[in-house]
Amino acid sequence: DIQMTQSPSSVSASVGDRVTITCRASQGISSWLAWYQQKPGKAPKLLIYAASSLQSGVPSRFSGSGSGTDFTLTISSLQPEDFATYYCQQANSFPLITFGQGTRLEIK
Amino acid sequence: EVQLVESGGGLVQPGGSLRLSCAASGFTFSSYEMNWVRQAPGKGLEWVSYISSSGSTIYYADSVKGRFTISRDNAKNSLYLQMNSLRAEDTAVYYCARVPSGPLLDYWGQGTLVTVSS
Repeated sequence: DIQMTQSPSSVSASVGDRVTITCRASQGISSWLAWYQQKPGKAPKLLIYAASSLQSGVPSRFSGSGSGTDFTLTISSLQPEDFATYYCQQANSFPLITFGQGTRLEIK
Repeated sequence: EVQLVESGGGLVQPGGSLRLSCAASGFTFSSYEMNWVRQAPGKGLEWVSYISSSGSTIYYADSVKGRFTISRDNAKNSLYLQMNSLRAEDTAVYYCARVPSGPLLDYWGQGTLVTVSS
């Protein structure tokens, strides 16, 4: 099974900050990676697919990069509505997908 | 507007059974692959099961294999998850999620809570 490890597990930041979250796969997954945002009590929302493609309707301050085993999600200028938990998901072995453990983004 | 609405969750004793449903609307259900994903309280996301658009191809996570059965009724625009031999560790919010043309989950339902406890 492909394991996904996110870092950090939690991060505190302020509105306007630039934040980067990292996701590492236990083996190469090419660009088969997606990122989701989840707010408390809500379903996850797709942000990024194919490592760097922005889902329709997602603000351009979100961006993704990487390939192989190392990936990043960057929020260029944090907005109040961005405070949430973020998950990466590998799709290399689709439909047997796995998620990272999540990164909680908190207000400083 | 794409909508996925789960139902059927509740409190069940260990060893019991429950059937979850996911009602789809706003898209051609029969053309899309579907998944179930769960989230234990305070924990991360765990993929549970996948079904192809026709229902002919099915996969399960090892943690539920032999106990859970995924199915769909394209005439009723509905996805199902039959859960048997439930354990405390199956306690979670269960989400149904749609697969678009690529290997990702683009729309999710609001989830239904399953609690396994005596």
